[in-house]
Amino acid sequence: GIQVEQSPPDLILQEGANSTLRCNFSDSVNNLQWFHQNPWGQLINLFYIPSGTKQNGRLSATTVATERYSLLYISSSQTTDSGVYFCAVSLTGGGNKLTFGTGTQLKVEL
Amino acid sequence: EPEVTQTPSHQVTQMGQEVILRCVPISNHLYFYWYRQILGQKVEFLVSFYNNEISEKSEIFDDQFSVERPDGSNFTLKIRSTKLEDSAMYFCASSQVGTDTQYFGPGTRLTVL
Repeated sequence: GIQVEQSPPDLILQEGANSTLRCNFSDSVNNLQWFHQNPWGQLINLFYIPSGTKQNGRLSATTVATERYSLLYISSSQTTDSGVYFCAVSLTGGGNKLTFGTGTQLKVEL
Repeated sequence: EPEVTQTPSHQVTQMGQEVILRCVPISNHLYFYWYRQILGQKVEFLVSFYNNEISEKSEIFDDQFSVERPDGSNFTLKIRSTKLEDSAMYFCASSQVGTDTQYFGPGTRLTVL
């Protein structure tokens, strides 16, 4: 099956710092989503981004489908950004199920 | 904004008991999914459902599991005889026809003792 790898696995930032999270995937995809799992365990949709670039406030994401990676940028990080960030993909022609990466655990400190 | 809802938020059960986890997908969505996340691990696909039948299921989704859409709004996951290893967070998700974005509910934390 498709492999989805995320890096780094853990990240500690000072409040106000910027960061880049990476998601590599091993096959062509028709869906890529970024999620933030908050401390209560809820999965919050951040972006649907199978290709191109999107921005939402302090967050932006870029997917280069031909090179099979996606990047999530967090600028001016806040303590509320802490949690686990997952990317998830579904295969082109492979049905709709999402395959999740192992996540990046982010901690933002004061 | 419409949301996927799930009940209960936390369920504690004894090994061997049956549990039913409930979900109300977003009203105009027609694709429904269940995923699970064992503590500290990644989220795993269990099953997808469309047009009143299972469209895909994973190896995890064995004969102990079943899904049902008993009425026009609810979507349920039943575990017939729970095992200790079924302890996990279970997420329901839904999506519209013609789009790929899946929207997730807040999850049900299942604890099997």
